[in-house]
Amino acid sequence: SQKIEQNSEALNIQEGKTATLTCNYTNYSPAYLQWYRQDPGRGPVFLLLIRENEKEKRKERLKVTFDTTLKQSLFHITASQPADSATYLCALDSGGYNKLIFGAGTRLAVHP
Amino acid sequence: DTAVSQTPKYLVTQMGNDKSIKCEQNLGHDTMYWYKQDSKKFLKIMFSYNNKELIINETVPNRFSPKSPDKAHLNLHINSLELGDSAVYFCASSQEGASGGVGTDTQYFGPGTRLTVL
Repeated sequence: SQKIEQNSEALNIQEGKTATLTCNYTNYSPAYLQWYRQDPGRGPVFLLLIRENEKEKRKERLKVTFDTTLKQSLFHITASQPADSATYLCALDSGGYNKLIFGAGTRLAVHP
Repeated sequence: DTAVSQTPKYLVTQMGNDKSIKCEQNLGHDTMYWYKQDSKKFLKIMFSYNNKELIINETVPNRFSPKSPDKAHLNLHINSLELGDSAVYFCASSQEGASGGVGTDTQYFGPGTRLTVL
């Protein structure tokens, strides 16, 4: 069956460290994968998109990798700050019409 | 300026009632979506419309009926509400996404409508 999985437990890290979140999928062949941030009581906000032919994408302190062989994407936040605390969702394309399949998200807590 | 807005933000109602949630986007986008986020936080696509045409129609009970009077609006009407309909419903929009090919457009989400069915 098709699945998209993210770390189900919250990730707690110290301010200034690098946070690494994982997104694994099975039985999909996405052309691209997106990462969103969701704060409590708010809608998801787009962060980064990476295509199947790209290994890595960066935006300021954010970095995303995409390994289509491992069927995995890693999302890194370097020099993390308490303001980075949120739930991070990965979403992959399921084959057209911009239909996104979302993971359940990983809650990140950055402690001062 | 709110890009994607939804009303109401909270909706509490009794089982069996009919209710509507409204969504408007002022981004000039062609495609709009409805998602449901349940208590386990999974965000699932329900419908999408492109220029008032239904494009994505997931396996959703036919008690749920989307209506798009124009490309800036996509409303969701729910008949005979059930306890299991309790969730947060998000509207979203994107510039493309309905060409039939691989759209990669960012989706912009509204603030959500928390529906509670008693």
